[in-house]
Amino acid sequence: AAGVIQSPRHLIKEKRETATLKCYPIPRHDTVYWYQQGPGQDPQFLISFYEKMQSDKGSIPDRFSAQQFSDYHSELNMSSLELGDSALYFCASSLYPGVTGYTFGSGTRLTVV
Amino acid sequence: AQKITQTQPGMFVQEKEAVTLDCTYDTSDPSYGLFWYKQPSSGEMIFLIYQGSYDQQNATEGRYSLNFQKARKSANLVISASQLGDSAMYFCAMIRGILQGAQKLVFGQGTRLTINP
Repeated sequence: AAGVIQSPRHLIKEKRETATLKCYPIPRHDTVYWYQQGPGQDPQFLISFYEKMQSDKGSIPDRFSAQQFSDYHSELNMSSLELGDSALYFCASSLYPGVTGYTFGSGTRLTVV
Repeated sequence: AQKITQTQPGMFVQEKEAVTLDCTYDTSDPSYGLFWYKQPSSGEMIFLIYQGSYDQQNATEGRYSLNFQKARKSANLVISASQLGDSAMYFCAMIRGILQGAQKLVFGQGTRLTINP
């Protein structure tokens, strides 16, 4: 079965650079969620989209932005990267209203040096 | 506000034994769902089992079962006949208002399970 695809799997950036993470949800899933998991931490919700509209927002820094496109894939853009942004970033997708098939991607491990 | 509490930072179990991972939750929503995820050292978040607040029976998925005690607000994960490959971090998570659409998950702190041969 198709899963949630995230790219890239690993990313190394320098401080103050910009990073773009991509997420391709499971086909027919219309809702996408982004989570951030710092080292030794539990995942923290960043933002979610339903039918290309932002549906909920967590503790996402102003330096981060995200959107969902017409093909339902989503991108998380992070600017002015800081050392503290180093984390595992997960994308998850589901079929509205949010329980059916709630599935995570394999994550993107971002390292800021 | 919702809160998930996992009180066991680490557990060590002998192979083939059953293991119970504790999870308690706090919510005022009448409608919610509870998930368990496994996160091996490779990092991916693997879905194990789901229980809805209105489900009459405890959820089961192969060797995994969820001991759901609504009055006590607990949702413990039971793994029967543990295997070496079960060694991983386990997260309990809650979703609120499951009919209200596009809901985030709130995670507990996790329990690191180690299976000894």
